[in-house]
Amino acid sequence: QVQLVESGGGLVKPGGSLRLSCAASGFTFSDYYMSWIRQAPGKGLEWVSYISSSGSTIYYADSVKGRFTISRDNAKNSLYLQMNSLRAEDTAVYYCARVDIVATFDYWGQGTLVTVSS
Amino acid sequence: EIVMTQSPATLSVSPGERATLSCRASQSVSSNLAWYQQKPGQAPRLLIYGASTRATGIPARFSGSGSGTEFTLTISSLQSEDFAVYYCQQYNNWPPAYTFGQGTKLEIK
Repeated sequence: QVQLVESGGGLVKPGGSLRLSCAASGFTFSDYYMSWIRQAPGKGLEWVSYISSSGSTIYYADSVKGRFTISRDNAKNSLYLQMNSLRAEDTAVYYCARVDIVATFDYWGQGTLVTVSS
Repeated sequence: EIVMTQSPATLSVSPGERATLSCRASQSVSSNLAWYQQKPGQAPRLLIYGASTRATGIPARFSGSGSGTEFTLTISSLQSEDFAVYYCQQYNNWPPAYTFGQGTKLEIK
């Protein structure tokens, strides 16, 4: 069965950095586009970033452009999100999600909490 | 940016009754609209894509309709496990700039 397991969240000070990982299993990872989506405490969902199956095509939400970097390692079945210059408003649960053929998010991980606070 | 607006914010319905949730897009998204269900402490689950196609394993009591800017999710006979928050999401843009509605909380009346 499809499994996505995020890790790497934690408490970081404003201006700091954090790298999230997402380990994928149960499907051919290299065949799928992937995304990161976040949810601030008690709030709705916000799409963050998107990467093509090969890693050659990448997009970001305006709110994270220039600060976050998405990447993947198909040999390791892993997705990453490097987050720099973190702000309080980046505090959220970060989910990795598989992008299906019609561009919806058909499988999600359980999420990892990132807290940006001094 | 395409803004998605859901209504109502909270909907109180009794088990066994029908629930109707609405989602409006600020500009046409054709049929590129999905619905997700999220229970407390859990990740969202895809229910509907293409405005009206149920995802794998989703019960037939969930149905979606609409196109352009107006969409509806209907749950025909509410079960206890259906009480959750529901989000709509558009995926019409290219390059992708996916946006979600703010959610409708479906609660037990």
